[in-house]
Amino acid sequence: AQSVTQPDIHITVSEGASLELRCNYSYGATPYLFWYVQSPGQGLQLLLKYFSGDTLVQGIKGFEAEFKRSQSSFNLRKPSVHWSDAAEYFCAVGQPNTGFQKLVFGTGTRLLVSP
Amino acid sequence: DAGVTQSPTHLIKTRGQQVTLRCSPKSGHDTVSWYQQALGQGPQFIFQYYEEEERQRGNFPDRFSGHQFPNYSSELNVNALLLGDSALYLCASSPRASGGVGQYFGPGTRLTVL
Repeated sequence: AQSVTQPDIHITVSEGASLELRCNYSYGATPYLFWYVQSPGQGLQLLLKYFSGDTLVQGIKGFEAEFKRSQSSFNLRKPSVHWSDAAEYFCAVGQPNTGFQKLVFGTGTRLLVSP
Repeated sequence: DAGVTQSPTHLIKTRGQQVTLRCSPKSGHDTVSWYQQALGQGPQFIFQYYEEEERQRGNFPDRFSGHQFPNYSSELNVNALLLGDSALYLCASSPRASGGVGQYFGPGTRLTVL
């Protein structure tokens, strides 16, 4: 069965500093990989996704993520964090080539941005 | 272009009651999925509908049921509500042609069971 681990429950970053959020997955092959962001009381917004090809994926709001097969990881990065980036971030995996997708989510990482 | 819409925004019910939540998918999307997000947790997959049929189901009891209409909108029904059903219920839509990937989420319905 697929699983996703986000080892950091909370992360605090100073505004302007760089950010890396960790995500590890368990799956028998290369899955589809996603990062979503959720602001308080809101739904989920898709930041970026990886299906195949270039392992460095660019997303919205200046985020990027790198797929590392050898480490079963898909870490999210941003070079300079803004106060508006404070939110909950979820990594998710989907199953390729199965037609009907369900996403398996991690437990999330809450990002706090300090002035 | 409206995204995924859900109604109502908030709902308060008591134990044992029944509830119906509604979802309209993003324009051009024909597949609808439902997720439950308990406080402090990631969303958990409930089920997915395409062509008015349930195509996949997560580990949820039969008290959770759904329906998809010809216009692709969907309902989630929960019977015999338990306190543990209190959560944010998220609807996601995607186009079948993409294999259902790249799901777009609505803002959710916050269900409180007292």
